[in-house]
Amino acid sequence: DAKTTQPPSMDCAEGRAANLPCNHSTISGNEYVYWYRQIHSQGPQYIIHGLKNNETNEMASLIITEDRKSSTLILPHATLRDTAVYYCIVRDPGTYKYIFGTGTRLKVLA
Amino acid sequence: AAGVIQSPRHLIKEKRETATLKCYPIPRHDTVYWYQQGPGQDPQFLISFYEKMQSDKGSIPDRFSAQQFSDYHSELNMSSLELGDSALYFCASSSTGIYGYTFGSGTRLTVV
Repeated sequence: DAKTTQPPSMDCAEGRAANLPCNHSTISGNEYVYWYRQIHSQGPQYIIHGLKNNETNEMASLIITEDRKSSTLILPHATLRDTAVYYCIVRDPGTYKYIFGTGTRLKVLA
Repeated sequence: AAGVIQSPRHLIKEKRETATLKCYPIPRHDTVYWYQQGPGQDPQFLISFYEKMQSDKGSIPDRFSAQQFSDYHSELNMSSLELGDSALYFCASSSTGIYGYTFGSGTRLTVV
């Protein structure tokens, strides 16, 4: 029942920007898009979230298309420590539970 | 800053035994969520509690039960353990008006 679609894997050179796309074409008008990452078997770590406007914090930027059907997470200067599985998540409508999709396994290469 | 505390970190049980996993949310967080992550799989939602009442239910087996106590900590009770229950179990907490969850470090359950 995942509400999002992401490429299964991506590589990025260290120091370059990593752009991770996500499709969430069934998102409802008032649902946020959340991004988390999971490094090895640690607990998922919150990165950023957004509704309509682009967002930026100390970790990343989030670009959401005008129709809100897709978004891109940008890590501006990827480091080896950014190697992880990145999940784009939309809550199950009418609930507060996250439905994890398959995520993108990002490998940052030295 | 205080995080979500889960105990134990590792647990080994035999088939048909019972296990209890504990979760201590961030202070003043009123909602707790439980997720199960099998080997090589993505986290699957099990159950959540808001203000000590069950709020959402996912793919939680009937052999499992959970509750949230008056101090907001939560326990996941698992009975008649099966080999397939071997997984990482994550707890997360959130608070009304705060976006996003904070996850704990997880409990790794191994059933032998």
